[in-house]
Amino acid sequence: DVKVTQSSRYLVKRTGEKVFLECVQDMDHENMFWYRQDPGLGLRLIYFSYDVKMKEKGDIPEGYSVSREKKERFSLILESASTNQTSMYLCASSLTRDSAEAFFGQGTRLTVV
Amino acid sequence: AQSVAQPEDQVNVAEGNPLTVKCTYSVSGNPYLFWYVQYPNRGLQFLLKYITGDNLVKGSYGFEAEFNKSQTSFHLKKPSALVSDSALYFCAVRDPIISSNTGKLIFGQGTTLQVKP
Repeated sequence: DVKVTQSSRYLVKRTGEKVFLECVQDMDHENMFWYRQDPGLGLRLIYFSYDVKMKEKGDIPEGYSVSREKKERFSLILESASTNQTSMYLCASSLTRDSAEAFFGQGTRLTVV
Repeated sequence: AQSVAQPEDQVNVAEGNPLTVKCTYSVSGNPYLFWYVQYPNRGLQFLLKYITGDNLVKGSYGFEAEFNKSQTSFHLKKPSALVSDSALYFCAVRDPIISSNTGKLIFGQGTTLQVKP
């Protein structure tokens, strides 16, 4: 079974803090993604990566950056957390094949106070 | 532009009755379509996908979905609903012309399914 593991289930951070969300997958997938989930808005793509050290902006990259130094690990960084970044963050991975489904982590619920 | 619409925020159905969760899409090429389910405070779980071939796709937990190209729809169905099916359901589309194997998925806003005993 594919496993995508996010380092934290719940996080509470203060405004202005630098926040790191970590994601690890164990199936040698090339593609990795960070989504943000908000009620009524579905999932919105923040950033994705199709190879080590490669990254592309998704639909809502402002205020975020990412790092992919190793194939299995994809980190989302909030440079200076703000209250409007309070949300559920979901990491996913998939093979490099358009027919391939994505596998998701359990999510990190981030609250910025 | 690619888009996915789930026109119902919530669907209510009695246990044992058939259920349908609707999804329509807009893509420039031939779509790859997916359904995911999310239980409370969990990540998304893959249910089924349509890539090509038979328009009726069968997936996990007794769910199936019907691809209708003329109506650009991919509705999720189950013949007999269970209380345990209550969850948030997401439809997603990938347009291979745009995606180019990057794996990008476009998600609908989600539909909450409530199955009552």
